[in-house]
Amino acid sequence: DVKVTQSSRYLVKRTGEKVFLECVQDMDHENMFWYRQDPGLGLRLIYFSYDVKMKEKGDIPEGYSVSREKKERFSLILESASTNQTSMYLCASSLTGAGGEQYFGPGTRLTVT
Amino acid sequence: QKEVEQNSGPLSVPEGAIASLNCTYSDRGSQSFFWYRQYSGKSPELIMFIYSNGDKEDGRFTAQLNKASQYVSLLIRDSQPSDSATYLCAVEKAAGNKLTFGGGTRVLVKP
Repeated sequence: DVKVTQSSRYLVKRTGEKVFLECVQDMDHENMFWYRQDPGLGLRLIYFSYDVKMKEKGDIPEGYSVSREKKERFSLILESASTNQTSMYLCASSLTGAGGEQYFGPGTRLTVT
Repeated sequence: QKEVEQNSGPLSVPEGAIASLNCTYSDRGSQSFFWYRQYSGKSPELIMFIYSNGDKEDGRFTAQLNKASQYVSLLIRDSQPSDSATYLCAVEKAAGNKLTFGGGTRVLVKP
């Protein structure tokens, strides 16, 4: 079974802090994705990566950056956390050519106070 | 207009009945279509995908695609209380590309 893990289930940070969310997958998937999920707004893509050191902006990249130094690990960075970044963050991975068949991690509930 | 639209629900169905969920999309170039199920407090999991016009069946689930009318639907036959969840429609514009998700339809199956 594909396993996607995220570094924290719950996280509380203060406004202005730099926040790192990490995601690791164990199935040698090329593609990795970061989403946020908010009530009424659904799942929105922040960034994705289709190879090591490659990244593409999604629909809402402002205020975020990413890092992919190894194939299995994809990190989301909030450079200076703000209260409007309070959300559920979901990581996903997929094989090349099967971009729609994504496997999701358990999510990180981030609260910025 | 949202790229992928779904009725938010809740769609309430009695146990054993058919639940019918609809999804419309705006980009005619969309190629692949996916249904994800998300239980409360959990992450989405893929249950069906469809690429060609027509019906595709998998167990109690049937996905239907009509590219001319730009809609995709999901039927859940013999609905069970365990089917109570939010169902997310997702559209892929080009192979290997990103997904655009709808807001989801919440389904409640009542015993």
